[in-house]
Amino acid sequence: GAGVSQSPSNKVTEKGKDVELRCDPISGHTALYWYRQRLGQGLEFLIYFQGNSAPDKSGLPSDRFSAERTGESVSTLTIQRTQQEDSAVYLCASSHLAAQYNEQFFGPGTRLTVL
Amino acid sequence: RKEVEQDPGPFNVPEGATVAFNCTYSNSASQSFFWYRQDCRKEPKLLMSVYSSGNEDGRFTAQLNRASQYISLLIRDSKLSDSATYLCVVNEGSARQLTFGSGTQLTVLP
Repeated sequence: GAGVSQSPSNKVTEKGKDVELRCDPISGHTALYWYRQRLGQGLEFLIYFQGNSAPDKSGLPSDRFSAERTGESVSTLTIQRTQQEDSAVYLCASSHLAAQYNEQFFGPGTRLTVL
Repeated sequence: RKEVEQDPGPFNVPEGATVAFNCTYSNSASQSFFWYRQDCRKEPKLLMSVYSSGNEDGRFTAQLNRASQYISLLIRDSKLSDSATYLCVVNEGSARQLTFGSGTQLTVLP
């Protein structure tokens, strides 16, 4: 079946511009997650959605970062006034909320480069 | 102290070798444990969940020791295609997000 998809796959932007990253989770997966991976580093949690609500936003690094989810499906991560330190791969994952072990399945990521 | 610690490697082993990776986690309330693999410039892919009794999937065996807060992954008869970074991953307590180790790099040599 279809996995998690993300768009765009690559995004190059200038410092100060806003960007929107999109995630389509696996159909039927009620939980959706955003992570960030800087070059050569591990994954950092950003935000978690349960349905359309975000009970855990603890990983968002600043108020320039926001995310929403609609229809218990597509999610958009928005970064305003991008900075060079925002350059990273942004990964989306989804899981079935009822899954006993919370296995999460990742999309291919959006590679963001801020010049 | 990192919440999930792994030996970064790199591990360079010949084809057919057995290799073991270890991982420790700091939160005793952690509930779920996984090994993911990540190929260069690709997303992490779930390799296996780690169950309390230990589990095996073909050439891969995972073990969990809750008392020592220690997880292991054993790869037998390693293949060239096993070359990747192996990520130890923990779901801590009631939180839904996963906490990732920084990964152990494996290269299987012909």
